Amino acid sequence: RKEVEQDPGPFNVPEGATVAFNCTYSNSASQSFFWYRQDCRKEPKLLMSVYSSGNEDGRFTAQLNRASQYISLLIRDSKLSDSATYLCVVNKDSNYQLIWGAGTKLIIKP
Amino acid sequence: DVKVTQSSRYLVKRTGEKVFLECVQDMDHENMFWYRQDPGLGLRLIYFSYDVKMKEKGDIPEGYSVSREKKERFSLILESASTNQTSMYLCASSFYRDSTYEQYFGPGTRLTVT
Repeated sequence: RKEVEQDPGPFNVPEGATVAFNCTYSNSASQSFFWYRQDCRKEPKLLMSVYSSGNEDGRFTAQLNRASQYISLLIRDSKLSDSATYLCVVNKDSNYQLIWGAGTKLIIKP
Repeated sequence: DVKVTQSSRYLVKRTGEKVFLECVQDMDHENMFWYRQDPGLGLRLIYFSYDVKMKEKGDIPEGYSVSREKKERFSLILESASTNQTSMYLCASSFYRDSTYEQYFGPGTRLTVT
């Protein structure tokens, strides 16, 4: 079993729709969780950290479910510019080492 | 803004050549990382460093070595390049904020070994 698993997609979604994807992780001791965004042929960039209580940043909402060991990302009112690959990231034993999911590809269609 | 730069965006080398990939960050971060990224596999950690002259093996260190002589610079070395090392190489640095470490990436080096 992979340490961090994501549905690779692609998710094809019409502009303006709401889309959500999950990510599961295997290390129950993990404490830090992130969503990164990666555009085609570019480097990953931090989208948001995921906190225990859940957090929201504009149209983006991240949730953490420790009992089931998954995190989720919800995007409301999706824009064409949201098209990207979204990477789920979890810390390893040491807090500064991260484990990366392979990413979920999102395509927003006009 | 944090800036992480990598010496080359694209590189083509022959099998058996020694390859140097350089990474420089300008934010005085303690931690630096080298990853490779291949389709469907996500980012895999090759080596990381948490201080000058310190290095730790990641998940796939075989065939690679690293050097960190100065805090801002972290070099990845392929001693004898092989075709299975054709990949996108990403350098990152990280700092501690809000009880966690955020990683910032360079633009990547797409290496082709022929």
